[in-house]
Amino acid sequence: EAGVAQSPRYKIIEKRQSVAFWCNPISGHATLYWYQQILGQGPKLLIQFQNNGVVDDSQLPKDRFSAERLKGVDSTLKIQPAKLEDSAVYLCASSWVGSGTEAFFGQGTRLTVV
Amino acid sequence: SQQGEEDPQALSIQEGENATMNCSYKTSINNLQWYRQNSGRGLVHLILIRSNEREKHSGRLRVTLDTSKKSSSLLITASRAADTASYFCATAFTSGTYKYIFGTGTRLKVLA
Repeated sequence: EAGVAQSPRYKIIEKRQSVAFWCNPISGHATLYWYQQILGQGPKLLIQFQNNGVVDDSQLPKDRFSAERLKGVDSTLKIQPAKLEDSAVYLCASSWVGSGTEAFFGQGTRLTVV
Repeated sequence: SQQGEEDPQALSIQEGENATMNCSYKTSINNLQWYRQNSGRGLVHLILIRSNEREKHSGRLRVTLDTSKKSSSLLITASRAADTASYFCATAFTSGTYKYIFGTGTRLKVLA
């Protein structure tokens, strides 16, 4: 079974630039999550999709972050414009809908904003 | 916001010793999970304990859950250098759909 795929693995941008991250979840997983993990902290949930609908985006800074999940499969997270404090690892995870079991994580994208 | 808080924040032990880390959380849960994260990598699921369970074992891992105190502990027995990683508890609860909220993590270093 293929795991959660994320790209790119690393990205360095200047502040005020825009950046996009891509995630392909495990086949059949209806629920997809984007987490932000700042160095030394635990992952913070940014947005959660079930199929292609948003079920929780309460902690997404909507003035600069956006995410979409077209056709209920792949997802893209965008930051525009980026700030220095957005430097973090962005983790994508997926799980079976309604299971409450484990979430499967990708390797993450490490973003550095300079 | 973080749901859970791990304690201690960092732990350094000798190979062969046991490592215990604790997690406290705030709201009612369906289950609690522990994940491991090696430096620069994604999170790997270790073990899940449901809210109606008190103890669970998996290999060298032992997890306990006390829902009355809203706390859990993870014990790693006979630690190895390869256990060096950060460990996070994640609480899973449903408000229409399952959410996984992570704690602050314990950084474990096992010295050979």
